[in-house]
Amino acid sequence: IAGITQAPTSQILAAGRRMTLRCTQDMRHNAMYWYRQDLGLGLRLIHYSNTAGTTGKGEVPDGYSVSRANTDDFPLTLASAVPSQTSVYFCASSEGGDPDTQYFGPGTRLTVL
Amino acid sequence: GQNIDQPTEMTATEGAIVQINCTYQTSGFNGLFWYQQHAGEAPTFLSYNVLDGLEEKGRFSSFLSRSKGYSYLLLKELQMKDSASYLCAVRDSNYQLIWGAGTKLIIKP
Repeated sequence: IAGITQAPTSQILAAGRRMTLRCTQDMRHNAMYWYRQDLGLGLRLIHYSNTAGTTGKGEVPDGYSVSRANTDDFPLTLASAVPSQTSVYFCASSEGGDPDTQYFGPGTRLTVL
Repeated sequence: GQNIDQPTEMTATEGAIVQINCTYQTSGFNGLFWYQQHAGEAPTFLSYNVLDGLEEKGRFSSFLSRSKGYSYLLLKELQMKDSASYLCAVRDSNYQLIWGAGTKLIIKP
């Protein structure tokens, strides 16, 4: 693999179900991010991780959790999905330094019914 | 609060030049990014400005004025493949990116 991969590509989920979105990067980037993108709104940061073993909350963390057990993987979990979590989810990574450009995965389209 | 403003949609003609503006009000400033996003795809990095002035990269240029909280992306010799959304993002004092809603650019033959 090269770059960032996300799985699944799309998912329809019943409200109340638990769901984990997967993200893997092979660029050995220290920092990783989860965003959601909704029509008419900018990308909004859910959670981030500056390095393996650490995580932080972004602008819209409620209802989501993350873990960073190693450099490559950064899964996002919805413990009990609600319809307002219907969105496109993008994972990104950056190598640090300047300008610390973020590179994005292809996204996961999630629909919660 | 923090705010990034961009026009929602713009239309231009193939071969022409278009300027997409971005104004921002953020808590601190640590650089401004422009990304391109084709429909159904991931954002891809176009340019970065941290000092005032113009950065040129092929057909694309980006300008920054920190005192005015203003940037623009200039696209020259427009091609049909330039039809996409263009996202402006500012890195704030917490070193997080604050994103505009994006400008959808429609290119007509």
